[in-house]
Amino acid sequence: SYELTQPPSVSVSPGQTASITCSGDKLGTKFTSWYQQKAGQPPVLVISQDSKRPSGIPERFSGSNSGNTATLTITGTQAMDEADYYCQAWDSSAIFGGGTRLTVL
Amino acid sequence: QVQLQESGPGLVKPSETLSLTCTVSSGSIINYYWSWIRQPPGKGLEWIGYIYYSGSTNYNPSLKSRITISLDTSKNQFSLKLNSVTAADTAVYYCARWSVGGNFIDYWGQGTLVTVSS
Repeated sequence: SYELTQPPSVSVSPGQTASITCSGDKLGTKFTSWYQQKAGQPPVLVISQDSKRPSGIPERFSGSNSGNTATLTITGTQAMDEADYYCQAWDSSAIFGGGTRLTVL
Repeated sequence: QVQLQESGPGLVKPSETLSLTCTVSSGSIINYYWSWIRQPPGKGLEWIGYIYYSGSTNYNPSLKSRITISLDTSKNQFSLKLNSVTAADTAVYYCARWSVGGNFIDYWGQGTLVTVSS
């Protein structure tokens, strides 16, 4: 079965750039989306279809997808960005990555 | 703004059936895919399955033998039944709407915690 692999944790200093990766076989041939989840809340879409930013999501969030890896990039990370992030793609069914805890130190 | 609200028992006994309903407001069920997704405490997201407004379904292979997702367009609701539950089915259950085209989720419910315990 298809799997998406994310690092369990990423740390970044305020104002710096955070990159969260999502790896899967030929992932670049599939649309990948990214969700942010804060404690006790449902996930929120931050990037759709590899690189589209929904209305209301800050410009500091961006995405890319090529080869076997999709990447969520947060430029100028703020304390409010501390959360869990999940990538998601479709194979024959919807697949979520295991999630990455972003810590803003 | 579309709103989704899960409802159902918060406690289910082992071997029994978990039943949840999602009510969709400020929007129609027509033309969209609708999903159930769950999250065990402290763990990641797991897709359970989806139903299209036409009634066609697609289920997570690992849960397929225990799941039924159904739709009531007259009530703007869709439902989940998961039978033969065990403690491993304890989770926050979310209902969600997939975008037109179905590539990503654009609306989530707030989630409801279902605990499996005797």
